[in-house]
Amino acid sequence: SALTQPASVSGSPGQSITISCTGTSSDVGSYNVVSWYQHHPAKAPKPLIYDGSERPSGVSNRFSGSKSGNTASLTISGLQAEDEADYYCCSYAGSSTWVFGGGTKLTVL
Amino acid sequence: EVQLVESGGGLVQPGRSLRLSCAASGFTFDDYAMHWVRRAPGKGLEWVSSISWNSGSIAYADSVKGRFTISRDNTKNSLYLQMNSLRAEDAALYYCAKAGGSTAPYYYYMDVWGKGTTVTVSS
Repeated sequence: SALTQPASVSGSPGQSITISCTGTSSDVGSYNVVSWYQHHPAKAPKPLIYDGSERPSGVSNRFSGSKSGNTASLTISGLQAEDEADYYCCSYAGSSTWVFGGGTKLTVL
Repeated sequence: EVQLVESGGGLVQPGRSLRLSCAASGFTFDDYAMHWVRRAPGKGLEWVSSISWNSGSIAYADSVKGRFTISRDNTKNSLYLQMNSLRAEDAALYYCAKAGGSTAPYYYYMDVWGKGTTVTVSS
């Protein structure tokens, strides 16, 4: 089953928001390898976080990740208009399978 | 420049087949596992299938198991997805994605994505 994310979050420019991603002991809880992706419509998804809290080269340090138990979180600080997009978490689920979250639509007010 | 370009999408009737391709360039293709991920209209990303660098490890989402087959040709730097017995719920934008590395932790995320190819299933 898909990981559970809030359907939507919103924030004003400059504020911080956090998106949660809840899985189970078979995915998020077992493997500390949650990744996060930003997806603007009509563009390729962009990786923001891997290994729970690591940023790929070139990703702004406004994006940070953490995990506690079966729940991972993505925090975006200093919200900017261009952050408005869909955000997805993803976890390895064993046996060479992966599972995504349902996605969260971020609105920058 | 690292690049993935999908092709092969189109309109197909329910029950028919379609083969997607993904052409890779700018990296050593046979060093990396590859994935297919889809996004249906109005829905979120869904992992579909993965294949290891040497095709020795292959996995599918339950939703496509037994109907879809992933494969790769390392001599052609290409990834494929053979989709049989297509259903309306398979309609989506299909992306190919590259594993971030050949070892942990980079293996567990997808660092490069294509722009996708659209599959429409309708009579």
